[in-house]
Amino acid sequence: SAVISQKPSRDICQRGTSLTIQCQVDSQVTMMFWYRQQPGQSLTLIATANQGSEATYESGFVIDKFPISRPNLTFSTLTVSNMSPEDSSIYLCSVKRTGVDEQYFGPGTRLTVT
Amino acid sequence: QKEVEQNSGPLSVPEGAIASLNCTYSDRGSQSFFWYRQYSGKSPELIMSIYSNGDKEDGRFTAQLNKASQYVSLLIRDSQPSDSATYLCAVTANAGGTSYGKLTFGQGTILTVHP
Repeated sequence: SAVISQKPSRDICQRGTSLTIQCQVDSQVTMMFWYRQQPGQSLTLIATANQGSEATYESGFVIDKFPISRPNLTFSTLTVSNMSPEDSSIYLCSVKRTGVDEQYFGPGTRLTVT
Repeated sequence: QKEVEQNSGPLSVPEGAIASLNCTYSDRGSQSFFWYRQYSGKSPELIMSIYSNGDKEDGRFTAQLNKASQYVSLLIRDSQPSDSATYLCAVTANAGGTSYGKLTFGQGTILTVHP
């Protein structure tokens, strides 16, 4: 497995503002992903964070709303832009190494938008 | 649309019993199958992975996979109150496809083990 940290662990934000969430891994990983878990729901993949290039977004998610960076093999950020109460969710990063199918999750960021 | 369905919960079992959690998936290209446990307020924790048809045992946990029936299950033997959590089934495709590494989750089954 890997040791994954996320910052912040939780935040309360006002409508219309933006929040950047950081994900840090203790060793190099091949793939990093960002998921959203809305209240009482399962996890939905937002995008794959690609190192040195633009992220690959899933249907229903766009770069303007969820810009993602991955400057190296151990770090990624997800920004939730122009937030509305509907963005209130837990945001989770996950990581996967080359040759290993298992995927591990960070502790998550609990976002509340008022 | 690729879907993963889990048996509706919540599931309640007495301590010491076997808890059986079931999952079906629609994409025949799915190659890797995972069970995650999620305690309330926590992130998902990987507890089992299975890739080939048959059974895989790890302690009190047994995962079963039947690709022909597109079915994967998790058995928890000698259930303990500490097993009370939401169990998430997840599937992904193998390398070479556009879905590589992307997990599709079921809606989760809430398990309660009562003393």
